[in-house]
Amino acid sequence: RKEVEQDPGPFNVPEGATVAFNCTYSNSASQSFFWYRQDCRKEPKLLMSVYSSGNEDGRFTAQLNRASQYISLLIRDSKLSDSATYLCVVIRTGANNLFFGTGTRLTVIP
Amino acid sequence: SAVISQKPSRDICQRGTSLTIQCQVDSQVTMMFWYRQQPGQSLTLIATANQGSEATYESGFVIDKFPISRPNLTFSTLTVSNMSPEDSSIYLCSVEGGQAYEQYFGPGTRLTVT
Repeated sequence: RKEVEQDPGPFNVPEGATVAFNCTYSNSASQSFFWYRQDCRKEPKLLMSVYSSGNEDGRFTAQLNRASQYISLLIRDSKLSDSATYLCVVIRTGANNLFFGTGTRLTVIP
Repeated sequence: SAVISQKPSRDICQRGTSLTIQCQVDSQVTMMFWYRQQPGQSLTLIATANQGSEATYESGFVIDKFPISRPNLTFSTLTVSNMSPEDSSIYLCSVEGGQAYEQYFGPGTRLTVT
């Protein structure tokens, strides 16, 4: 089983829509969770960390469910500039390296 | 955030040859990481490079194929040796960021092996 699994999409949504991505991780010892964003032919960039209590940054909300071992990202009021691939990232306890999901591709349509 | 540059940005190489990729950071960092992103795939860690010690390789990657140098706290190189078409990929270096476990990535080197 893969360390991190995501629905690859693509998700095609109209501007202004709300869209949610889920990600599951296999190792219960995982301790840190992130969402990264990768634009076409660019490097990944940190979008937000995911905290146990959930956290919000403007139009973006991240949630963590340790019992079910999944992470979610909610984007409200989608903008054209939100079009990108969203990567779920997990770090295991005691490790320094990031485990990446394959990414969920989002296209926001005018 | 750290500013990271990589050279070359892209290259087309013949099978059997080797290519050395350079990664330069604008500040001193303890750990540098090398990742590979094959077409349509996500990122896979190749190795972790610490200054003054041997790189630590992940399962499936070996030093003979991917030798790494880390001569100082702002620079590292990754060599892809004896290349085959399966090595065609984007190679990215990264460094730790300000938040715990956050990483900043270089722009990547797009390698095509013919």
